[in-house]
Amino acid sequence: DAGVIQSPRHEVTEMGQEVTLRCKPISGHDYLFWYRQTMMRGLELLIYFNNNVPIDDSGMPEDRFSAKMPNASFSTLKIQPSEPRDSAVYFCASSLVAGGDEQFFGPGTRLTVL
Amino acid sequence: GENVEQHPSTLSVQEGDSAVIKCTYSDSASNYFPWYKQELGKRPQLIIDIRSNVGEKKDQRIAVTLNKTAKHFSLHITETQPEDSAVYFCAAGGGADGLTFGKGTHLIIQP
Repeated sequence: DAGVIQSPRHEVTEMGQEVTLRCKPISGHDYLFWYRQTMMRGLELLIYFNNNVPIDDSGMPEDRFSAKMPNASFSTLKIQPSEPRDSAVYFCASSLVAGGDEQFFGPGTRLTVL
Repeated sequence: GENVEQHPSTLSVQEGDSAVIKCTYSDSASNYFPWYKQELGKRPQLIIDIRSNVGEKKDQRIAVTLNKTAKHFSLHITETQPEDSAVYFCAAGGGADGLTFGKGTHLIIQP
């Protein structure tokens, strides 16, 4: 398996634009997590899915953020409209179980909002 | 929900010395405690983990200890080397709520 795949690796956009981040989890993993990492706040869990169903989205900062998982091999995180404070590295991770086993992280997407 | 505190935020040690990073957690239901290493510009990767039925686990130069009564766990790195320089994250979980991560420790190995 190629591991967790994320695209794009880098995204530079202007304030107000829509941004879509993509993730392909490891095949067979039932759980998918979206994290945001900044120097100030560390690694924050935004949302996670179990078998394509969103379980906990309490970490999503506001309505500008939305996430979907239309099938077991694909998820998106969308920011609309984007703001400079959304600049961060966004990681996707997958695992076999929710909190009791290793989470495998993707390479991350570095987002810069000008 | 779970709350994980990690200390120190930065740790500088001489090459060859030992490094210790400590974490505390709040939810007594947590039973899985992994440690991740993140090198600059890379993704976090698991280096060692421990479950609540074990008090200590070792893997070559790294070890993790767990005190469930006190709700704290620690990472120990012996004979530190330059390649140990990175940010280390502890986490706690085990239920249906995923993992909660600490804020990270920037470990600097001085030559």
